[in-house]
Amino acid sequence: AQKITQTQPGMFVQEKEAVTLDCTYDTSDPSYGLFWYKQPSSGEMIFLIYQGSYDQQNATEGRYSLNFQKARKSANLVISASQLGDSAMYFCAMRVNFGNEKLTFGTGTRLTIIP
Amino acid sequence: GAGVSQSPSNKVTEKGKDVELRCDPISGHTALYWYRQRLGQGLEFLIYFQGNSAPDKSGLPSDRFSAERTGESVSTLTIQRTQQEDSAVYLCASSSPAGGKNEQFFGPGTRLTVL
Repeated sequence: AQKITQTQPGMFVQEKEAVTLDCTYDTSDPSYGLFWYKQPSSGEMIFLIYQGSYDQQNATEGRYSLNFQKARKSANLVISASQLGDSAMYFCAMRVNFGNEKLTFGTGTRLTIIP
Repeated sequence: GAGVSQSPSNKVTEKGKDVELRCDPISGHTALYWYRQRLGQGLEFLIYFQGNSAPDKSGLPSDRFSAERTGESVSTLTIQRTQQEDSAVYLCASSSPAGGKNEQFFGPGTRLTVL
């Protein structure tokens, strides 16, 4: 079985500062994918970034980067130069490849950017 | 192009009534997923369709829950004899499995309230 743990229920960060959202995962499968989604108050789920278990380099998408430490089974999301619009819930999720395509989600971190 | 759509956006029903929730995936996406999100929590997987077959129904919480999909198109999630614990946002997602990222695109969700 897969499990995602997000230990930060809420975070407050000053605008323009960088922020790291923690995510650890557990799986015995060697091939998997890790995802981060953003959920604003409107409720939509917005895909941010993806990291494959065999990817050699950390994923980056604009201001988002994923700090992937495979041995530690961690996949932290780093948001650089935070903006007021970054205030939202952030979910880490995992998919084990081959067969079962479902995403297993963590409980989320509520990020609030302070002006 | 059009994203994933869901209807209704909100549904209020009385305990014991049946409800049907609808999902229209992105055209051409062969995979379709249903998730449930209780207030303040992460997403729980319910069921996964590949085409119109459902290889993974492991997340359906009870036999009151069922889902079907017509071809590689619309899906309906039916909850019979609704209970107050069924109150949640029901999210649908679709993807076009082709290995790699296989990103899931989410709809806006249906907020179900059982009185």
